[in-house]
Amino acid sequence: QQQVKQSPQSLIVQKGGISIINCAYENTAFDYFPWYQQFPGKGPALLIAIRPDVSEKKEGRFTISFNKSAKQFSLHIMDSQPGDSATYFCAAKGAGSYQLTFGKGTKLSVIP
Amino acid sequence: SAVISQKPSRDICQRGTSLTIQCQVDSQVTMMFWYRQQPGQSLTLIATANQGSEATYESGFVIDKFPISRPNLTFSTLTVSNMSPEDSSIYLCSVVKQYEQYFGPGTRLTVT
Repeated sequence: QQQVKQSPQSLIVQKGGISIINCAYENTAFDYFPWYQQFPGKGPALLIAIRPDVSEKKEGRFTISFNKSAKQFSLHIMDSQPGDSATYFCAAKGAGSYQLTFGKGTKLSVIP
Repeated sequence: SAVISQKPSRDICQRGTSLTIQCQVDSQVTMMFWYRQQPGQSLTLIATANQGSEATYESGFVIDKFPISRPNLTFSTLTVSNMSPEDSSIYLCSVVKQYEQYFGPGTRLTVT
């Protein structure tokens, strides 16, 4: 499977700040890019997802920005809260398949 | 979305024994996946389990070690056979529903 590169590995943000997590991919056949949020001891929860025909998608405080030419996408968390402290995984799905390729994850800590 | 439950939620097992993990979904789904997540790591796909066909295993995973059953559209089991400490991980089932992939809460396995 093609790799999805995620950065940073860890991130510390003050309450009220913006958290930004970046992912890059190589396989141009990917056609769906979800983000998952995982709290300790829990399974990953689907947070937000985007398709490559859209450059941005916003749901509440969470926004995905997608740059098809650069093969990059990012998650922005506005007004970050301590309750957002979790590990975030980006992923990508190949066309004609439901298998996901995951990034290595970003551990976000939002401090008061 | 999909509501997914897994049993057991956690277990501590002796080396050389086997453990069967159950995954139950609240609605009928065609596609079901089993993942492994080692401590602090990303998710690795073990196999795809579609009802009515043999499970398809990813590179590095074999049926003798991880036999899977999929007797109907709401249930699947994954067995971890002849366990060693290297099998200590979180095992997650996931399903595709309306093109989105949802994860169960995971089974935390410790092998001593």
